[in-house]
Amino acid sequence: GENVEQHPSTLSVQEGDSAVIKCTYSDSASNYFPWYKQELGKRPQLIIDIRSNVGEKKDQRIAVTLNKTAKHFSLHITETQPEDSAVYFCAAAGRFGNEKLTFGTGTRLTIIP
Amino acid sequence: GAVVSQHPSRVICKSGTSVKIECRSLDFQATTMFWYRQFPKQSLMLMATSNEGSKATYEQGVEKDKFLINHASLTLSTLTVTSAHPEDSSFYICSARYLQGTETQYFGPGTRLLVL
Repeated sequence: GENVEQHPSTLSVQEGDSAVIKCTYSDSASNYFPWYKQELGKRPQLIIDIRSNVGEKKDQRIAVTLNKTAKHFSLHITETQPEDSAVYFCAAAGRFGNEKLTFGTGTRLTIIP
Repeated sequence: GAVVSQHPSRVICKSGTSVKIECRSLDFQATTMFWYRQFPKQSLMLMATSNEGSKATYEQGVEKDKFLINHASLTLSTLTVTSAHPEDSSFYICSARYLQGTETQYFGPGTRLLVL
């Protein structure tokens, strides 16, 4: 089955600086890679996702890059703000019919004002 | 769009009792829903995949007789924790696929279960 590793487990960043979270996956058949943000006691919220037919996707301050050859993908948050503080999870899933998500272990991001 | 609700949000029960958790897609039809369990400061672990009108598919190590899943309609899936024990205390979260043929999952707000 799929195995997703995520690093770092905790990350502290000065407000305004950038944050980068990295994930690797094991199953070369995986082709869908979402990122979720979860605040304490709340539901995971999809913030951005990428499919294997593209190498990069950007949405305002958030971007995701994918390297299929190396089987790793990364989340980039620029101009960080205090409200970016949360736990971020990466995940990987296969094609339709095998779309169950395998989650990474999470990264607790703290933005220091 | 893509709103998923869960009920109850929090439940406390005595050991040995059963607890039912509902997951609803409010503004779309979900042929597939997923049930996850999340322990404190840990990741989400998939318990089972729930397909409307058919039996759920359980992940390895998840007891199907203990965690009963019913997906009777395109907008409702239920998870019943039978004969709950303190080790079943956890945060249970459901998700639903927004559109047929896509992988995107939207999550419910979760149900915090405490078994005394």
